[in-house]
Amino acid sequence: AQTVTQSQPEMSVQEAETVTLSCTYDTSESDYYLFWYKQPPSRQMILVIRQEAYKQQNATENRFSVNFQKAAKSFSLKISDSQLGDAAMYFCAYRTDGGSQGNLIFGKGTKLSVKP
Amino acid sequence: DTGVSQNPRHKITKRGQNVTFRCDPISEHNRLYWYRQTLGQGPEFLTYFQNEAQLEKSRLLSDRFSAERPKGSFSTLEIQRTEQGDSAMYLCASSLNGGTLMDTQYFGPGTRLTVL
Repeated sequence: AQTVTQSQPEMSVQEAETVTLSCTYDTSESDYYLFWYKQPPSRQMILVIRQEAYKQQNATENRFSVNFQKAAKSFSLKISDSQLGDAAMYFCAYRTDGGSQGNLIFGKGTKLSVKP
Repeated sequence: DTGVSQNPRHKITKRGQNVTFRCDPISEHNRLYWYRQTLGQGPEFLTYFQNEAQLEKSRLLSDRFSAERPKGSFSTLEIQRTEQGDSAMYLCASSLNGGTLMDTQYFGPGTRLTVL
């Protein structure tokens, strides 16, 4: 069974600085997708960034980028120029590719605080 | 595109009562998912539908839980004879299977259930 591990329960960053959130996963599959979701205190889950496992190029979305290391099964999220609005729970998620199994498998999350 | 909506947003009930939640997905999305999230944890998969067919159910979905998506549009999740352990946030998500966005799931705001 696939698992997702986020080893940092809490992280803190100074406004305008850069922070990296870690995520590792375990799978025997070669094709899959990885996601980072943000859940602000209002608790609605928002997609931050997504990555296809067959793509070697790391995904980027404005200030957010990932470091995808397929062999190491690592998928870290880098937030540049951190803003107060980035404070939230961040969840790493895995989804298999194809077949009837479509659910996301989430890690336990990392709570990010941003200091002014 | 109005996003995924869920009703009610909050539900307080007494142990032993039945409750029903509703989810309206993004209109063109053919897949609909239910997750449960307890405090400090990532969401856990419960079940999902492709159109009106329920394709997968988690072992977390006990006999007291039932979900329907009768016309392939909105879905309901019913919990019978609620227990205090059912207290959680129930999240709904939808996606477009076969689209170009990696079947990305978009989440609703959730229904917070409290069982007294």
